[in-house]
Amino acid sequence: GAVVSQHPSRVICKSGTSVKIECRSLDFQATTMFWYRQFPKQSLMLMATSNEGSKATYEQGVEKDKFLINHASLTLSTLTVTSAHPEDSSFYICSAPGEGKYTEAFFGQGTRLTVV
Amino acid sequence: GQNIDQPTEMTATEGAIVQINCTYQTSGFNGLFWYQQHAGEAPTFLSYNVLDGLEEKGRFSSFLSRSKGYSYLLLKELQMKDSASYLCASMDSNYQLIWGAGTKLIIKP
Repeated sequence: GAVVSQHPSRVICKSGTSVKIECRSLDFQATTMFWYRQFPKQSLMLMATSNEGSKATYEQGVEKDKFLINHASLTLSTLTVTSAHPEDSSFYICSAPGEGKYTEAFFGQGTRLTVV
Repeated sequence: GQNIDQPTEMTATEGAIVQINCTYQTSGFNGLFWYQQHAGEAPTFLSYNVLDGLEEKGRFSSFLSRSKGYSYLLLKELQMKDSASYLCASMDSNYQLIWGAGTKLIIKP
C-alpha cells in the first residue's frame, strides 16, 4: 500500500520556539494532506487540509498563524507550530487520502510534540 | 450535527470474541471505516463498509446497517497483540472522515 513518511517521530522543544513536522508521500503523489491532532484518550481532530499549490483550509478554532501549513510539492506537506506553548503538546498525524474517494486514508507515523 | 459514538473501554479474554459497536450521525454517508491504533502510533486501516451486511477479513469482521446508523467490529480468537484502541470513522458527503473517540480494548490472559 501507499506509504506516508512523517518526521520527526518525537520532538521536545522550549516554549516560544517553532517546530516543523514533515510528511512525505513516498510512492504516490498526494495533492491533499490532512493534518490531525490527537490528545490522550481522545479522537483524531482535523486541524487543516493542505492542498498542493494553494492555501490550506483550516478547521474552525485552529489558528492559521500559529499552525503554518505548506504543501510545496506533490510529495511534501509541512506543519510548523510557531511560538509553541505547553498546551500545544500533543500527537500530530498527517494522512493522505487514497486513490478514489472510497478508500482508506494513509497515515504518517505521527509526531509526539512535547513543549517544555 | 455530526456525531460518532463508541464505548470508551472494553475488556475481553485471550481466545474469546469481542464486538465493538459504533453509531454514527453524519451529513451524508459515504462509508464506515474501522482503524486500529496502538498507543503512540498512527492508526492502521482494518475495514471499510458502504453496503449493509457483514464483511469478513480473517479474524476481524465488520458489519453495517445504514438504516440504523450502526456498525460493529467483531474480533475473534483474541490475541494479546489485539490490545489497542479501535477507531470508528464515518465518511460524510464531503468525503471527510468524522472520527469517533476510539474504544480501548484490553485483553486479559
